[in-house]
Amino acid sequence: DVKVTQSSRYLVKRTGEKVFLECVQDMDHENMFWYRQDPGLGLRLIYFSYDVKMKEKGDIPEGYSVSREKKERFSLILESASTNQTSMYLCASSEGGGRPETQYFGPGTRLLVL
Amino acid sequence: AQSVAQPEDQVNVAEGNPLTVKCTYSVSGNPYLFWYVQYPNRGLQFLLKYITGDNLVKGSYGFEAEFNKSQTSFHLKKPSALVSDSALYFCAVRDMRPSTTSGTYKYIFGTGTRLKVLA
Repeated sequence: DVKVTQSSRYLVKRTGEKVFLECVQDMDHENMFWYRQDPGLGLRLIYFSYDVKMKEKGDIPEGYSVSREKKERFSLILESASTNQTSMYLCASSEGGGRPETQYFGPGTRLLVL
Repeated sequence: AQSVAQPEDQVNVAEGNPLTVKCTYSVSGNPYLFWYVQYPNRGLQFLLKYITGDNLVKGSYGFEAEFNKSQTSFHLKKPSALVSDSALYFCAVRDMRPSTTSGTYKYIFGTGTRLKVLA
């Protein structure tokens, strides 16, 4: 079974802090994704990566950056956290290759910015 | 632009009754459609997908979904609901065009429908 893990389940940070969210997958998947989940808005794509050191912006990249130094690890960085970044953050991975593939999700990190 | 709509924020159903969670889509061409479930404080779990072929797709936990091209719908169904089915359900569609940079496809998710199965 694919396993996607996220470094924290809950985080509380102060406005202006730099925040790192980490995600690790164990299935050698090419693609990794970061979403945020907000009530009534569903899942919105922040960034995705299709290979080591390769990334693309999703639909709401402002205020975020990402890093993928190793294939299995994809980090989301909030350069200067703001209260409007309080949300549930979900990491996902998929095989890639152009087929309509299933995404495998981590358990999520619930971030509160005070 | 591609989109999916889940018209109901919440669906209530009595245990043992059939359930339906609705999803409609708007894409050009043949859609690739997915259903995911999210239990409290958990990530999303894959339930089933429609790629091509039989319009009735069977998935995990006794769920199935019916693809209807004329109505552009992909409703999730289960013949007999369980209390443990109570969760948040998301419909998703694969974007029709891949990224011009990477060839990666994005997935567009609906806003979710909360299913409550009452004992």
